[in-house]
Amino acid sequence: DSGVTQTPKHLITATGQRVTLRCSPRSGDLSVYWYQQSLDQGLQFLIQYYNGEERAKGNILERFSAQQFPDLHSELNLSSLELGDSALYFCASSYGTPKSDTEAFFGQGTRLTVV
Amino acid sequence: GENVEQHPSTLSVQEGDSAVIKCTYSDSASNYFPWYKQELGKRPQLIIDIRSNVGEKKDQRIAVTLNKTAKHFSLHITETQPEDSAVYFCAAAGGGNKLTFGTGTQLKVEL
Repeated sequence: DSGVTQTPKHLITATGQRVTLRCSPRSGDLSVYWYQQSLDQGLQFLIQYYNGEERAKGNILERFSAQQFPDLHSELNLSSLELGDSALYFCASSYGTPKSDTEAFFGQGTRLTVV
Repeated sequence: GENVEQHPSTLSVQEGDSAVIKCTYSDSASNYFPWYKQELGKRPQLIIDIRSNVGEKKDQRIAVTLNKTAKHFSLHITETQPEDSAVYFCAAAGGGNKLTFGTGTQLKVEL
């Protein structure tokens, strides 16, 4: 167990719908990362938050948004879902400060299936 | 931003042989280079990491080397075993910023 909790583990929804994925980082970790992994693909970086603020952004679609709350948990919102959004979405957390990086721990992922 | 390239995309070795996976990065400010192993259907897990003030690090059968001048780093697995079969990802990060991952290497260790 990495200490990073993602819910739900599985999600099946229809095209056009909106879903929210939730991530609770390890205790004490300030950074939260979101990654998308499509079938047989690598880890595509979506967005990073550090202590409540957006720190870095990848090729995240405009239909996707995220936020990190004061208690440091994070949510990834996916709207107007398309079949191509079906993927495994990972959240990772690290202690990482602005000057130093540390190991990132991954959650088990949320498998999203859009039908 | 950072760009990480990883080669090869697939690697097949005989049990007991060595495996080498190579990565290059573009941002000279990157100073942290972890390697992750992802087994089928599971989350990526860190197997070894190296910082820019170190040229080599070893942990049992796994070693990582870093060449800052050339901006490349490599993972070396010796005496490979069937349980080493997985997808391996390299990554680079700097200044508390995002981890950028390579595209992954599917390693298959054959009996």
